[in-house]
Amino acid sequence: QPVLTQSSSASASLGSSVKLTCTLSSRHRGYIIAWHQQQPGKAPRNLMKLEGSGSYNRGSGVPDRFSGSSSGADRYLTISNLQSEDEADYYCETWDSNTRVFGGGTKVTVL
Amino acid sequence: EVQLLESGGGLVQPGGSLRLSCAASGFTFSSCAMSWVRQAPGKGLEWVSTIGGGGDATDYADSVKGRFTISRDNSKNTLYLQMNSLRAEDTAVYYCAKIVTADDTGYWGQGTLVTVSS
Repeated sequence: QPVLTQSSSASASLGSSVKLTCTLSSRHRGYIIAWHQQQPGKAPRNLMKLEGSGSYNRGSGVPDRFSGSSSGADRYLTISNLQSEDEADYYCETWDSNTRVFGGGTKVTVL
Repeated sequence: EVQLLESGGGLVQPGGSLRLSCAASGFTFSSCAMSWVRQAPGKGLEWVSTIGGGGDATDYADSVKGRFTISRDNSKNTLYLQMNSLRAEDTAVYYCAKIVTADDTGYWGQGTLVTVSS
């Protein structure tokens, strides 16, 4: 089954941009992934689904400050004009038939 | 508006059983595969189980296989998770999720806490 690797933490200043990476196992490099945001004490929220081509679809109500891109086995989430409410954990997810897999999550700190 | 409302969590002794429910609205429930995902205190998200829209296709994480059963009642727009032989390591917030697919984004419920302790 696929494996997803995320760095454990990232930080950036208010109003700047941050780019998070989710790396698929090489055998699954073409897979679609989803990005989810989990603010402290809240349920996760689906931000987008992201294809290997770099095409992405944001979830309902997700601001256009959130964008996605891809390169090989890497899937990226870029948050532009970083806001205080963007301080959260970000998880990537993929699937193989009915089996789902999550990355370990990246904690984003807004400085 | 998509809504997913979990219920049924609580405190249970090791070896005990619990059934979680998730009431869905705002979308064509019978057309959508659904998942249960859990999060232990201070930990990341862990996939538990997925069921196809018709209820026929199911899959489970190795950590719960043989102990948990996912099911759905499409006439009631409700998803279930029957949890048997519960262990301390099953303690977590359990989320119901309309899964992300190649054709659609996903949604999450607010979660229900399951605590397994004597």
